Amino acid sequence: EAGVVQSPRYKIIEKKQPVAFWCNPISGHNTLYWYLQNLGQGPELLIRYENEEAVDDSQLPKDRFSAERLKGVDSTLKIQPAELGDSAVYLCASSLASYTEAFFGQGTRLTVV
Amino acid sequence: GQQLNQSPQSMFIQEGEDVSMNCTSSSIFNTWLWYKQEPGEGPVLLIALYKAGELTSNGRLTAQFGITRKDSFLNISASIPSDVGIYFCAGRAETSGSRLTFGEGTQLTVNP
Repeated sequence: EAGVVQSPRYKIIEKKQPVAFWCNPISGHNTLYWYLQNLGQGPELLIRYENEEAVDDSQLPKDRFSAERLKGVDSTLKIQPAELGDSAVYLCASSLASYTEAFFGQGTRLTVV
Repeated sequence: GQQLNQSPQSMFIQEGEDVSMNCTSSSIFNTWLWYKQEPGEGPVLLIALYKAGELTSNGRLTAQFGITRKDSFLNISASIPSDVGIYFCAGRAETSGSRLTFGEGTQLTVNP
């Protein structure tokens, strides 16, 4: 069974440019998470979806970050415009239900120059 | 938001030694998960705990859900070089629904 798939693995952009990350969760998993991981720190939740509904987005910087999960499967996380401080690893995870184990993708390493 | 205090921050041990790390919170948790992350990869789930007092093993790894529901422990026995990585605890607080909060990680180095 395929795990959580994220793309791209790496992205380098100039500041003020837009960027988008894509996530395909494990088949059948209803809950999808986007996390931000800064160097040397643990992952921090940005947004959590239950099917297509964003049920926890209180930590998403909504002035520049947006996310969608239109059909309750794949998800896209967008930053527009990107800032230097956005350089980090963006992790996607999924779980069968909201209270079960969460499995992570390999992440997208974003560098903003 | 919820805070998880994970310790130690780093450990340098010799191959064959046992390792112990823990995670504590001021809040009551109803789920504890332990992950390992290697460079350039996402966290990989090692052990999941759902009941206070629960003790679960996965090979040389053993984790426990603390009786107070405010802490969890991970032990690695007879460490080997491939145990190197960052170990994260993660948990769901009783008052935060299904939000999964992570600790800051324990960097483990194993010297052959």
